[in-house]
Amino acid sequence: GDSVTQMEGPVTLSEEAFLTINCTYTATGYPSLFWYVQYPGEGLQLLLKATKADDKGSNKGFEATYRKETTSFHLEKGSVQVSDSAVYFCALSGGNTGFQKLVFGTGTRLLVSP
Amino acid sequence: SAVISQKPSRDICQRGTSLTIQCQVDSQVTMMFWYRQQPGQSLTLIATANQGSEATYESGFVIDKFPISRPNLTFSTLTVSNMSPEDSSIYLCSVNRGEKLFFGSGTQLSVL
Repeated sequence: GDSVTQMEGPVTLSEEAFLTINCTYTATGYPSLFWYVQYPGEGLQLLLKATKADDKGSNKGFEATYRKETTSFHLEKGSVQVSDSAVYFCALSGGNTGFQKLVFGTGTRLLVSP
Repeated sequence: SAVISQKPSRDICQRGTSLTIQCQVDSQVTMMFWYRQQPGQSLTLIATANQGSEATYESGFVIDKFPISRPNLTFSTLTVSNMSPEDSSIYLCSVNRGEKLFFGSGTQLSVL
């Protein structure tokens, strides 16, 4: 079945450092790919998405490019802030699961220190 | 976007009891989804709740353990029945707008 694998955390960075959180997926067909973020004490929020190969999703300085050849959707940010500390989830829909349901990775906790 | 109110936000329960979680959406939606987030693990879909029909459960989840109600297009409940410590998780409801899923803030359940 469809699955998402993302790097284990926590990822600990200093403010203004470059961030990469790796995400790879397994799915049939052409899934849509998402990054969700969960700030402390809050619910999940959609951060960005990409719906087809070579699409780049971007939001709040974060970017991720849908790479079908490597089945990846790595999350990047050029300069992280303390306020980016959160748990980041990579997810897909479509493929075997249908577009109504999401399959999530295990989440990666990001800790940014001043 | 969608505004989703979920309650309770957290609860501590005794083994063998049941807890009902409520989810209210600010507008009508066809499907509502219930997810579980176990400690240190990913979110897992429990079931899809459609108004006017029985919920559709994912593999590993059964109606007797997780009964769901969907009385109208803006509301749903999930009951965690006969709880054990293994049920300690965060439970989230969600709704979709197109391909986007919006989530409630979750119910953190601890079972002693």
